[in-house]
Amino acid sequence: NAGVMQNPRHLVRRRGQEARLRCSPMKGHSHVYWYRQLPEEGLKFMVYLQKENIIDESGMPKERFSAEFPKEGPSILRIQQVVRGDSAAYFCASSGTVGSYNSPLHFGNGTRLTVT
Amino acid sequence: AQKITQTQPGMFVQEKEAVTLDCTYDTSDQSYGLFWYKQPSSGEMIFLIYQGSYDEQNATEGRYSLNFQKARKSANLVISASQLGDSAMYFCAMRELPGGGADGLTFGKGTHLIIQP
Repeated sequence: NAGVMQNPRHLVRRRGQEARLRCSPMKGHSHVYWYRQLPEEGLKFMVYLQKENIIDESGMPKERFSAEFPKEGPSILRIQQVVRGDSAAYFCASSGTVGSYNSPLHFGNGTRLTVT
Repeated sequence: AQKITQTQPGMFVQEKEAVTLDCTYDTSDQSYGLFWYKQPSSGEMIFLIYQGSYDEQNATEGRYSLNFQKARKSANLVISASQLGDSAMYFCAMRELPGGGADGLTFGKGTHLIIQP
């Protein structure tokens, strides 16, 4: 499968635990975007990364959330000390072209995080 | 102001009828792209169709077409001969040229389309 791979598909965490969401972009893509979708809402941009660089994290909450995209391996979205309000679907998308408004983003299947 | 507005939270349509999902957008850029995505109940985001701001012809992909009216800043999705499998959430999105920030997509809140037999 050459598409965007996200895992796990479902993740349950108790309040106060850490959540780690992984995303492998499409082959040949070096730009990764993370989005969050709350119930009955559209997707909201969180962070945009290239390999080893955070390009824009304007949509990330200032505390408890972090993201990385190392030289080797998948991109990781990390949520520390999760709270119930973090329950959402988290989508990763990748693109092979930067600065191109005519390229669609290709999405993974998402990780559904439930905080109990 | 919202960048993408979808005014229909939900729609019920009879099978085999055509359906139009509304989308208006707000941008001061001359170069931008408009996209529609489908999200079935299984949750994945499926890219359907794209329209560029400089494209003079309306985009078409099989049963999907995009009714692009640039002066009105609207990019409505038309699904012809609807099928039961078209029941899903539909999101309109826009991608603008980067201005030092993210060049990702801005999404509307979506329309929940239900096709009835």
